[in-house]
Amino acid sequence: KNEVEQSPQNLTAQEGEFITINCSYSVGISALHWLQQHPGGGIVSLFMLSSGKKKHGRLIATINIQEKHSSLHITASHPRDSAVYICAVTQGGSEKLVFGKGTKLTVNP
Amino acid sequence: EAGVTQSPTHLIKTRGQQATLRCSPISGHTSVYWYQQALGLGLQFLLWYDEGEERNRGNFPPRFSGRQFPNYSSELNVNALELEDSALYLCASSRGPAGSAFGSGTRLTVV
Repeated sequence: KNEVEQSPQNLTAQEGEFITINCSYSVGISALHWLQQHPGGGIVSLFMLSSGKKKHGRLIATINIQEKHSSLHITASHPRDSAVYICAVTQGGSEKLVFGKGTKLTVNP
Repeated sequence: EAGVTQSPTHLIKTRGQQATLRCSPISGHTSVYWYQQALGLGLQFLLWYDEGEERNRGNFPPRFSGRQFPNYSSELNVNALELEDSALYLCASSRGPAGSAFGSGTRLTVV
């Protein structure tokens, strides 16, 4: 079992839909990251969380430390949101990042 | 505040050559991490440098090496390139356990 699990693996939505991507982890962490990787390969850091909730534009990230679970929400999705979304955790004490396998999101017009 | 910068953004090399990738961390960050994302695979841990020393390395052959300079910037060197080394190489920097900042990656293509 991977230390960081994401679901779903693939997600197809219609423009305007509300999107949720989930991330569960099994190790102690000091921080959790959500990354966005566009088809060209470049990676953008969306959020870094250690507790609670963060919002940036149409993106919302939440984390529940007790349940070891985080969600990334996209409101009013748009085709330009199509990308791979990666959850990564910084393991407590080691600082090493452990990555989920990513969720491929396709938003159709 | 400038983010983590990686250069070049794209690099094309011939099999057998050497590639050098560079990473400049966020000011104040002393740790630099390198990751590889080969085609169709997730990000895999490569190397961790902190205060100029290699602290840990992933399951990669010795052809993959690097160093960290006194200003905390880092180089990743890949010798005797093989076709399967074609990948996105991601650099991250951190200072303590507060989490990491990421570069946007270098796309290495070996032909």
